[in-house]
Amino acid sequence: DADVTQTPRNRITKTGKRIMLECSQTKGHDRMYWYRQDPGLGLRLIYYSFDVKDINKGEISDGYSVSRQAQAKFSLSLESAIPNQTALYFCATSDQGLYEQYFGPGTRLTVT
Amino acid sequence: EDQVTQSPEALRLQEGESSSLNCSYTVSGLRGLFWYRQDPGKGPEFLFTLYSAGEEKEKERLKATLTKKESFLHITAPKPEDSATYLCAVQAGGGSNYKLTFGKGTLLTVNP
Repeated sequence: DADVTQTPRNRITKTGKRIMLECSQTKGHDRMYWYRQDPGLGLRLIYYSFDVKDINKGEISDGYSVSRQAQAKFSLSLESAIPNQTALYFCATSDQGLYEQYFGPGTRLTVT
Repeated sequence: EDQVTQSPEALRLQEGESSSLNCSYTVSGLRGLFWYRQDPGKGPEFLFTLYSAGEEKEKERLKATLTKKESFLHITAPKPEDSATYLCAVQAGGGSNYKLTFGKGTLLTVNP
């Protein structure tokens, strides 16, 4: 079984709709992250969380919110989706004592 | 501001034709440099962490090296299954030790 899972894997939604992307991990890591990936722009950090009570904005947090429901679960919400939020979204985890991050399989989101 | 530049953007090789990918970086106090492999539509897969200049890591046909300004990913006798996008990322020390700054990647195609 995959260590980091994301649901849904693909989603098409309309402008103005609220949508939630979910991430679960079985690696036992404390730290979790949400990134988006756009062609030509690379991976950019949206939000990160060091534990359930510690949530921080990344470099492109406008239009997004997150919830850390448990050590193993971290959700990303788009309050009112817009077309330029069409992208690949990745969840990642890391252990406090190590620096490398482990990524989930991604969610392809299309906003029409 | 931390920066990562990868070159070339795309590389085509024949099976068995060895080559190298470059990752140039500027960062205030390098904590780690990371290499990832990403297949189309999938999440980045962690390959290596390098911590200090002179360090080398190997895995099958891949060898990563690090200097104070750049890292190389050497691919020896590549096979078609090595085709993927290779991402480089750096992590700075100090207060931003959570943050990975990614390059835009090198798309490697290995023809049989």
